[in-house]
Amino acid sequence: ETGVTQTPRHLVMGMTNKKSLKCEQHLGHNAMYWYKQSAKKPLELMFVYNFKEQTENNSVPSRFSPECPNSSHLFLHLHTLQPEDSALYLCASSPNQGARNIQYFGAGTRLSVL
Amino acid sequence: LAKTTQPISMDSYEGQEVNITCSHNNIATNDYITWYQQFPSQGPRFIIQGYKTKVTNEVASLFIPADRKSSTLSLPRVSLSDTAVYYCLVSGAGSYQLTFGKGTKLSVIP
Repeated sequence: ETGVTQTPRHLVMGMTNKKSLKCEQHLGHNAMYWYKQSAKKPLELMFVYNFKEQTENNSVPSRFSPECPNSSHLFLHLHTLQPEDSALYLCASSPNQGARNIQYFGAGTRLSVL
Repeated sequence: LAKTTQPISMDSYEGQEVNITCSHNNIATNDYITWYQQFPSQGPRFIIQGYKTKVTNEVASLFIPADRKSSTLSLPRVSLSDTAVYYCLVSGAGSYQLTFGKGTKLSVIP
């Protein structure tokens, strides 16, 4: 148990569906992250939030829309996805924004887009 | 961001010490070296972090030579449960970016 909980663990959706991934951290951290891990590829940073403000968007397509209502919760809203978006989506948090800060990861949501 | 190079895979027998070396030739003065472990279908887990010389915790040791152009993660007496992918990351104190490479897939054999 890392203190970072992601739901759902598995998700299957069609290309026209709208779904949301949820991440919650119980560590009192101020920074939260979304990563994408495709099969046989390294983790790719998607978004970074620090004190609820988005500080980084790594050229992520607009069909992925993040939301951070408070420092403990992070959402990733999905709309009109493509089959190539199938991947493991990981949420992480750290005490503050900064690479020295150790990131704590959730178990991820395995997404399949049909 | 400093680029890292590590072996794609390694095999080891149970009970042996495993050393995984990572090269980071263009590491900057303010960069730290961090290692993570990832099991299949799970998120990475922090193992150890260091700046120079040697760092040890209950899980592993990290050896960093004086020039800091490489680092070695040492896992003492591995077990089957240590089979995982191990990532070496180099990043600056002021940066939030963690760039994960392909990592080293360690397979522990009975």
